[in-house]
Order: sequence, then C-alpha cells, then structure tokens
Amino acid sequence: KQEVTQIPAALSVPEGENLVLNCSFTDSAIYNLQWFRQDPGKGLTSLLLIQSSQREQTSGRLNASLDKSSGRSTLYIAASQPGDSATYLCASSQGGSEKLVFGKGTKLTVNP
Amino acid sequence: EPEVTQTPSHQVTQMGQEVILRCVPISNHLYFYWYRQILGQKVEFLVSFYNNEISEKSEIFDDQFSVERPDGSNFTLKIRSTKLEDSAMYFCASSRQGLPPFNEKLFFGSGTQLSVL
Repeated sequence: KQEVTQIPAALSVPEGENLVLNCSFTDSAIYNLQWFRQDPGKGLTSLLLIQSSQREQTSGRLNASLDKSSGRSTLYIAASQPGDSATYLCASSQGGSEKLVFGKGTKLTVNP
Repeated sequence: EPEVTQTPSHQVTQMGQEVILRCVPISNHLYFYWYRQILGQKVEFLVSFYNNEISEKSEIFDDQFSVERPDGSNFTLKIRSTKLEDSAMYFCASSRQGLPPFNEKLFFGSGTQLSVL
C-alpha cells in the first residue's frame, strides 16, 4: 500500500528565498507524481505532473524532480513571493488504479 | 478557464439525514472523482466514475455512499444516513481521460464542507 509523506509540515521563509519542499513515497512503482497547491477554503490546483519516465518538470518559478529509485520528489520554488503562501500537496498515481494517494502537505508561508 | 463547480460550499446536517453534494465537472472531461479531506488529515480517494458507472472505489465508499450522473452535466455524491465521522471537505474532480493509463492532471472543485451534527 502506497504511503506518501511530506516533510516539513510547515515552512516559513522570507520573500525572495529559494526553497525546496520534499515528498517521499514507499512504493517506487508509480505511474506519475503530481504537485498541487491548496489555498484556504479553496480546492486543489494542479501545478506540475511528472511522468514516471521523466526526471523533472518546470513551470515558471517551479521545478519538480522525481527520483523513483529513492522514492523521492522535490518541488523547488525560486524567488519566493508572498502569493506563494499556501499548502503544497504531492500525490502519486499507481498503475492499474484510478486513485491518487496524497501526502499531508507542507504549509508554506512567505513573509514580506 | 474552465473549472469544476461544486454546490453548496457548506452543508450542515443532522446525523442520520441524507445529503446530496453536487458537482459540475469540466464539460469535455470524461472521468469524474470524489475525494474527501477530514480536518487536519490527508486528502483521501473515495470513488472514480466513467461511462456512467463506478470504475474504482475505496474502502471508505461503503453502502452509505452512492454516485450518479443524472444528466449530461451534473455529478452527485449521496450519503444516505450521515454519521458524525462523515464531517469533512468533499472535493469533486474531473479529468479528460483516466489516470492511468494516461498522464492526466486532475482538476478539482473548491469543495463542499459537510458538517454532521
């Protein structure tokens, strides 16, 4: 059974700092891994999807990497802004299943 | 930009009552999902739905739960007799194709906060 863990649970950084959020998973036989952003009272917004055959994906200031062999993914946020403050969730998809398995998330606060 | 719409945003009900949560997925999407998030816990998969039938469900999705696509646009989750432990944020999601075998992003609605008293 896939377990997804995100550490730290919360992170507070000053504006402009580059940061890394971590995601680990127990079963390396993933189909893909997605990073989501969750704002209070709102739904989840998909940020990046990394296929199992890929090592990384980039979108603007965001870069997500995937290392299946070590069961890890990271989300790198460059030049953080207060608007980046949110909870970031990672979720894995396994072959043969329709479901995403989520981590508990990292709550990011970027201070002006 | 197209989005998944959920109504109501908040629902308060008494234990034992039936509730129906409503969702309008993105119009050209074919796969629909319900997830839930109990306060302070992980987002959990409930059910996936394709071609007018359930394609996968979790252990949480017992006989008290049902899903329906009553027309060409709505997708509903019914809880027949609510329990205190059903209190959670319920998210509807949709995708163009199933995942896997396709590498598709999921698009989530803003959620319905269900409170069972």
